[in-house]
Amino acid sequence: EDKVVQSPLSLVVHEGDTVTLNCSYEVTNFRSLLWYKQEKKAPTFLFMLTSSGIEKKSGRLSSILDKKELFSILNITATQTGDSAIYLCAVGGTGANNLFFGTGTRLTVIP
Amino acid sequence: KAGVTQTPRYLIKTRGQQVTLSCSPISGHRSVSWYQQTPGQGLQFLFEYFSETQRNKGNFPGRFSGRQFSNSRSEMNVSTLELGDSALYLCASSPVVLAGELFFGEGSRLTVL
Repeated sequence: EDKVVQSPLSLVVHEGDTVTLNCSYEVTNFRSLLWYKQEKKAPTFLFMLTSSGIEKKSGRLSSILDKKELFSILNITATQTGDSAIYLCAVGGTGANNLFFGTGTRLTVIP
Repeated sequence: KAGVTQTPRYLIKTRGQQVTLSCSPISGHRSVSWYQQTPGQGLQFLFEYFSETQRNKGNFPGRFSGRQFSNSRSEMNVSTLELGDSALYLCASSPVVLAGELFFGEGSRLTVL
């Protein structure tokens, strides 16, 4: 059965801290792994990863995929209160837009 | 470019009723997917439409159905509502059919009493 597991479930840090969010998966016909940020309602896209070992970066956020060990990490450096959100990991198979989502990691950044 | 628009944003129904939710994708996007989000289960895939055809369906009972119109707008319907159907229903659009970036709407929050 396809599944995506995220850890930790929740995390509380102080501004300026660095956090690492984890995502492990078991999905048939893997095509891509995506990270989304959900602050209120609509998840917004962060990264899509398809190849192992290639880091994607956007500002203070970065992510990498390990297709051999079936996991990905999302790093956030110098956290800010605006980073407070639920971070969702999703994995997609080939030929369709049905993504399998993890239940998310709730990050709270305290001033 | 306008984003994905979902209506209604909030609705309250009672058990046994039915509900129809609407989604207008980003202009030019032909793929529309629906997801149910609950606190315990996270986001779960309901179905996906492309060019008016259902391409994929998640593991939900037949009470959940959908369709897509020629202008790519989509509707989903839930009949004989149950308390457990209370959730945020999210619609997402994509220009292509492959496991890539999805653009989500704000969702329709359904409460079943």
